[in-house]
Amino acid sequence: DIQMTQSPSSLSASVGDRVTITCRPSQSISTYLNWYQQRPGKAPKLLIFAASNLQSGVPSRISGSGSETNFTLTINSLQPEDFATYFCQQSFDYPRTFGQGTKLEMK
Amino acid sequence: QVQLQESGPGVVKPSETLSLTCSISGGSISSHYWSWLRQSPGRGLEWIGYVYKSGGTSDNPSLNGRVTISIDTSKSQVSLKLRSVTAADTAIYYCARHLGSGWYAPFGLWGQGTMVTVSS
Repeated sequence: DIQMTQSPSSLSASVGDRVTITCRPSQSISTYLNWYQQRPGKAPKLLIFAASNLQSGVPSRISGSGSETNFTLTINSLQPEDFATYFCQQSFDYPRTFGQGTKLEMK
Repeated sequence: QVQLQESGPGVVKPSETLSLTCSISGGSISSHYWSWLRQSPGRGLEWIGYVYKSGGTSDNPSLNGRVTISIDTSKSQVSLKLRSVTAADTAIYYCARHLGSGWYAPFGLWGQGTMVTVSS
């Protein structure tokens, strides 16, 4: 299985800040990397697919980049609704696997 | 607007079979792959398996062949059966629709999830 390692596991920031979350797969996955946001008590929601493609309805302050074994999720100008947990997930191979999550908390 | 709704017993006894249904409304069940996933504090997010309209399936080897996923296009439902459950199977279970039908498709739409506890 492809292991997905996210960092940091938690992050404190303020409204208006820019934050970056990193995801590193245990092997090259080309650009088959997706990002999800999960708010408390809710299901995950797809934000970014194929490393850098914004899902419909997701604000443009959220972006993704990377390839092979190094990916980042960037959120510019943090808004109150962005404080949540973020997961990366590889869709290069089965079984699909997820990172352990990054909890973004308000400072 | 397409909606997914999971349903099933909230408590299952150890060694028994967990059975869940995902009802799809507002859209066609065809032309998409449908997956089951689960989430627990100890195991994080875990993909369980998928089914396609043809009935073709794949499941996670970590579940040791205990999984059956099926599709009923006439009822717009996808079902999950997980046999011989233990406390480690306690989790929130989600169904999800893949975004598109390609091999690399992400999980584009999720149900709200249903909590299942394995306990005697």
